[in-house]
Amino acid sequence: GEDVEQSLFLSVREGDSSVINCTYTDSSSTYLYWYKQEPGAGLQLLTYIFSNMDMKQDQRLTVLLNKKDKHLSLRIADTQTGDSAIYFCAEEGSQGNLIFGKGTKLSVKP
Amino acid sequence: NAGVMQNPRHLVRRRGQEARLRCSPMKGHSHVYWYRQLPEEGLKFMVYLQKENIIDESGMPKERFSAEFPKEGPSILRIQQVVRGDSAAYFCASSPGQGGTDTQYFGPGTRLTVL
Repeated sequence: GEDVEQSLFLSVREGDSSVINCTYTDSSSTYLYWYKQEPGAGLQLLTYIFSNMDMKQDQRLTVLLNKKDKHLSLRIADTQTGDSAIYFCAEEGSQGNLIFGKGTKLSVKP
Repeated sequence: NAGVMQNPRHLVRRRGQEARLRCSPMKGHSHVYWYRQLPEEGLKFMVYLQKENIIDESGMPKERFSAEFPKEGPSILRIQQVVRGDSAAYFCASSPGQGGTDTQYFGPGTRLTVL
């Protein structure tokens, strides 16, 4: 079936890099997504990657995709306290809906 | 260009009452998705609608829940005879429904509390 797995917590120091990992099951996803959710807020689309790409960079964000292992990662360079949030990985379901992981809570210590 | 709008942001209902959640998609978007987020969980897909059509409701409970997206006006998620287990955040997302990524953009959510 369709499933997305993420580690639940990550703690880093301000200025360090954060790497959030995700594994997915549906190899037919055309795109894979990263969303950010701040407390009490909706989901903000951070970035997405086309399934035939290995890497995508967007300012401080780098997405790496290993299609063979069905592994997706999000790297945040120079992590700031404002990056503290829950980060969701998502793959596409068969009907165009998104299938989310449970989210990784990123805590950034000053 | 306003984003996806949802109202109300917070809704409190007693067991047995009805809850109506509204979603106005982004301008130019014709596809709407509803998701539910339980505490400490990720979002779970409920239903996918286009104007006047339900495309996929495989994630929606068969009883008490219904959704519509009329030709005019917002999409409505309706929960009849609410129970405590319905307490959750309900998010709506919209997409243009065109080729390419068809990225979904999310609203701020409606937080439903059932007393």
